[in-house]
Amino acid sequence: LAKTTQPISMDSYEGQEVNITCSHNNIATNDYITWYQQFPSQGPRFIIQGYKTKVTNEVASLFIPADRKSSTLSLPRVSLSDTAVYYCLVGEGYSSASKIIFGSGTRLSIRP
Amino acid sequence: EPEVTQTPSHQVTQMGQEVILRCVPISNHLYFYWYRQILGQKVEFLVSFYNNEISEKSEIFDDQFSVERPDGSNFTLKIRSTKLEDSAMYFCASSDAGTGRNEQYFGPGTRLTVT
Repeated sequence: LAKTTQPISMDSYEGQEVNITCSHNNIATNDYITWYQQFPSQGPRFIIQGYKTKVTNEVASLFIPADRKSSTLSLPRVSLSDTAVYYCLVGEGYSSASKIIFGSGTRLSIRP
Repeated sequence: EPEVTQTPSHQVTQMGQEVILRCVPISNHLYFYWYRQILGQKVEFLVSFYNNEISEKSEIFDDQFSVERPDGSNFTLKIRSTKLEDSAMYFCASSDAGTGRNEQYFGPGTRLTVT
């Protein structure tokens, strides 16, 4: 599994766009990049997954440069309810029985 | 939207006692998992389960732990003789082989407190 590095914490304000960058220099050809979100006292929740370029869904966008050694999760116009820990994961996305190895994540705090 | 459910939400037990944590995965999912999270620490993988057998287990999942799918809907984690250090949130998760993206759905967790 490729090692990932992401900021320990970030602060932002309501209405702002938040970008969380994750480094994964040793990403393998078959690896996908996946982001999960965890609210306090809740289980993690899948947000988005991508392989290259850009992926967008109703929650977030994921930007992946051509070399795939990093990725950026973009949360548009955050609200207080986006306060959570965000985990960047790299692994074989198409292997349905894969365990998830969570790192420490990025603790995002949104202020009014 | 279908969801994973877990019972109880909070379990308090004395050291040395046996506990069973229960989960109902999403009905058409085939892969099941248990994770735990000690307060303030990372979410840790315990075990994965497919086709009525363990697919993979971590070093944490020693002989005091066992999992079972007793019927078509429940998935349980048993801790035979609890220790103080077993106090944690335990999350059940399930995934569908057909999504093609290893999206695991997590339950709300059971908070286990061992005294």
